[in-house]
Amino acid sequence: GAGVSQSPRYKVAKRGQDVALRCDPISGHVSLFWYQQALGQGPEFLTYFQNEAQLDKSGLPSDRFFAERPEGSVSTLKIQRTQQEDSAVYLCASSLVLAFNEQFFGPGTRLTVL
Amino acid sequence: DQQVKQNSPSLSVQEGRISILNCDYTNSMFDYFLWYKKYPAEGPTFLISISSIKDKNEDGRFTVFLNKSAKHLSLHIVPSQPGDSAVYFCAAPDGGSSNTGKLIFGQGTTLQVKP
Repeated sequence: GAGVSQSPRYKVAKRGQDVALRCDPISGHVSLFWYQQALGQGPEFLTYFQNEAQLDKSGLPSDRFFAERPEGSVSTLKIQRTQQEDSAVYLCASSLVLAFNEQFFGPGTRLTVL
Repeated sequence: DQQVKQNSPSLSVQEGRISILNCDYTNSMFDYFLWYKKYPAEGPTFLISISSIKDKNEDGRFTVFLNKSAKHLSLHIVPSQPGDSAVYFCAAPDGGSSNTGKLIFGQGTTLQVKP
């Protein structure tokens, strides 16, 4: 399919481990967003890229969270020294242009920190 | 501070009847609203939107109503079908329709349509 893909779909980490979550946006999409969705809540914005430039990282909860998109395509969200409160579904979305109603979401990565 | 609120965690309706999902917001700067639908193990998909210059937008079985004075919007599904069973999120772009694409979501309402 030509949708947004994310890997892994499920990740279990021990507290203190580092994790890396991958997002493959739709080919040619300029904008890429990361959201965090806790259980029973709506998605919450983490960060936004336009091509390779990270234009907004105001939603990253701490300096343990880091995102990159070095070639303006695939993006990686890295979480260092994971904590139990990091357990959530991490959603990636992309859009062709900067149009919020055209954000296409991936299926998410469910992270469980034990 | 929850700027977009969906106060009903769940709703159950009979097939063929109307489903009404509600959403309230606190930020008067919001001028565009979206509804997303989410099935288990899938990402949210865009359903319908409305600009603050309108009070109603219709797309097939789905209609969104906006009451700016009350800072309230609702999604009506008529007639409801079992395939509509999903979690519905109300969302607004932070900074209004000219923003960077950052969406603020409500907590979601789980709709169950019984055959």
